[in-house]
Amino acid sequence: NAGVTQTPKFRILKIGQSMTLQCTQDMNHNYMYWYRQDPGMGLKLIYYSVGAGITDKGEVPNGYNVSRSTTEDFPLRLELAAPSQTSVYFCASQNPGQARETQYFGPGTRLLVL
Amino acid sequence: RKEVEQDPGPFNVPEGATVAFNCTYSNSASQSFFWYRQDCRKEPKLLMSVYSSGNEDGRFTAQLNRASQYISLLIRDSKLSDSATYLCVVRNNNDMRFGAGTRLTVKP
Repeated sequence: NAGVTQTPKFRILKIGQSMTLQCTQDMNHNYMYWYRQDPGMGLKLIYYSVGAGITDKGEVPNGYNVSRSTTEDFPLRLELAAPSQTSVYFCASQNPGQARETQYFGPGTRLLVL
Repeated sequence: RKEVEQDPGPFNVPEGATVAFNCTYSNSASQSFFWYRQDCRKEPKLLMSVYSSGNEDGRFTAQLNRASQYISLLIRDSKLSDSATYLCVVRNNNDMRFGAGTRLTVKP
């Protein structure tokens, strides 16, 4: 199993540009999450999904959109990039069968908005 | 007040030392508790879950005090490879809240 994969690894955007961060997992996990991590800070939840066709806002959803058309994929869309969205973005997946089940994280996408 | 608060450190300790990290959380309805480890420029990885009765995994011991809303992590006999940032994580249903992390450097 590849686990959770994310593309791209690094991207520079200009203010106002748009992009999609890709996330794929091959563990057949129903639950998937998007987080951002600013320097010296903990992870903040952007959006999450408990299954295909279902998405919910997290703590910091403004400026982002998600979709979940398949169990495997959970892309994150930035429509109008702003400098405040410069961050490292982590995607994670989880098997909800057990409350204590760990979240498995992808390697992250580093985004710089100039 | 932050939902999950940790001492940011850094903690600089010699090999073989014992080091303890503390974490407090504000949501009394929180259901599950974890310690994650994050190496520099890498993704977080689960170190251990934290159970109400306390639990141990080798050199690592985690404690939970629900009444005080307090979680701790004790690392005994520190190794160079323990150098990382340790994240306290609190879960309420689908909402995972992460602390900012405590940075540990173990020196020879």
